[in-house]
Amino acid sequence: EAQVTQNPRYLITVTGKKLTVTCSQNMNHEYMSWYRQDPGLGLRQIYYSMNVEVTDKGDVPEGYKVSRKEKRNFPLILESPSPNQTSLYFCASSRVIHHEKLFFGSGTQLSVL
Amino acid sequence: RKEVEQDPGPFNVPEGATVAFNCTYSNSASQSFFWYRQDCRKEPKLLMSVYSSGNEDGRFTAQLNRASQYISLLIRDSKLSDSATYLCVVNSNSGYALNFGKGTSLLVTP
Repeated sequence: EAQVTQNPRYLITVTGKKLTVTCSQNMNHEYMSWYRQDPGLGLRQIYYSMNVEVTDKGDVPEGYKVSRKEKRNFPLILESPSPNQTSLYFCASSRVIHHEKLFFGSGTQLSVL
Repeated sequence: RKEVEQDPGPFNVPEGATVAFNCTYSNSASQSFFWYRQDCRKEPKLLMSVYSSGNEDGRFTAQLNRASQYISLLIRDSKLSDSATYLCVVNSNSGYALNFGKGTSLLVTP
């Protein structure tokens, strides 16, 4: 089954404790992206990747890191989480050409205390 | 001006009604346009792509107006199951990222 798998689904942590949210897709997609969704602000892009070892900043990259060492995986790293990073996070992937259908993971609800 | 703007609603309509949403975009060079549907705190799912000539999928019709830089979504014969948030999505200035509108909330009531 074609899918984007995000883990964990829920995460509660404390300020400053490094964490990683994993994202994996099994569709051989070149394009992967991370979004955060906050009430009243909609979906905002954090980082995206056009292919292995190619990443670029989205609209709200501050406080986040990503890596794309393999085509299927695109982890989101919070080196020192802060309460303003409490949010609902989505990973997504698609083929690059014409930005065809974006496949989203099920989301990660992160709470930073 | 925000890159993609939508009326947040909520739109409350009775079952069977026809409802239309508009979305404006700022980048005249945009080439890709989509409508996504999102149920409460679930992942967005593609509803339909929007093509230059307009396109229809069952009760849903999408149209693109490049001159005025807006896209629209028309839902005919609304069902209770259509209640959701509808996201307008347009490719960005760079062409490699997608910009999401904040969404329009639709509630279909019996």
